[in-house]
Amino acid sequence: DGGITQSPKYLFRKEGQNVTLSCEQNLNHDAMYWYRQDPGQGLRLIYYSQIVNDFQKGDIAEGYSVSREKKESFPLTVTSAQKNPTAFYLCASSRTASSTDTQYFGPGTRLTVL
Amino acid sequence: AQKITQTQPGMFVQEKEAVTLDCTYDTSDPSYGLFWYKQPSSGEMIFLIYQGSYDQQNATEGRYSLNFQKARKSANLVISASQLGDSAMYFCAMRDPGRPSGYSTLTFGKGTMLLVSP
Repeated sequence: DGGITQSPKYLFRKEGQNVTLSCEQNLNHDAMYWYRQDPGQGLRLIYYSQIVNDFQKGDIAEGYSVSREKKESFPLTVTSAQKNPTAFYLCASSRTASSTDTQYFGPGTRLTVL
Repeated sequence: AQKITQTQPGMFVQEKEAVTLDCTYDTSDPSYGLFWYKQPSSGEMIFLIYQGSYDQQNATEGRYSLNFQKARKSANLVISASQLGDSAMYFCAMRDPGRPSGYSTLTFGKGTMLLVSP
């Protein structure tokens, strides 16, 4: 079945450690996105990529990094520079970056910093 | 700048009744897309319905319909015949072409929690 997978589902990290969240899609979509969701809030865009080897900062990119070496993969690294990393992280993809293309989401990763 | 407003933090509805979730938006671009997503307690975001700014008719998908009033910049979601499984957070989102940069992104509202009672 086509879809978006994220791993792990739950992640615990000690302060000062970097951690990488995985996002893979087999929908043959060009565009991929990372969002952060805090309790009781909507989603905020961290990074997005319209095509392989290209990515752009979103609204809250500080303390995060990404890569897009393959079309199907868009991993997110939460670095120690991120001041408040505990949140729910959602990855999404869309066929293209057009405003009319629907974004489809993965199941999310819940990150807790201890 | 884009802006999405959902003024109802929570809504209650009885099973089998219809409910309307409000969404207003603000953009200066004539070309944009409006989306509604459902987020159950499991956390995944489920796409429900899409309305394009140039679409002449209101979008419908099964029990979901979008009451699109372009002049008022509103895109309310109507759920008919509510079911217990409809209990979830509902998010309205908008995407415009991102001129002049050309980078189109999706902006979300803060969401409305819907509770369906038996």
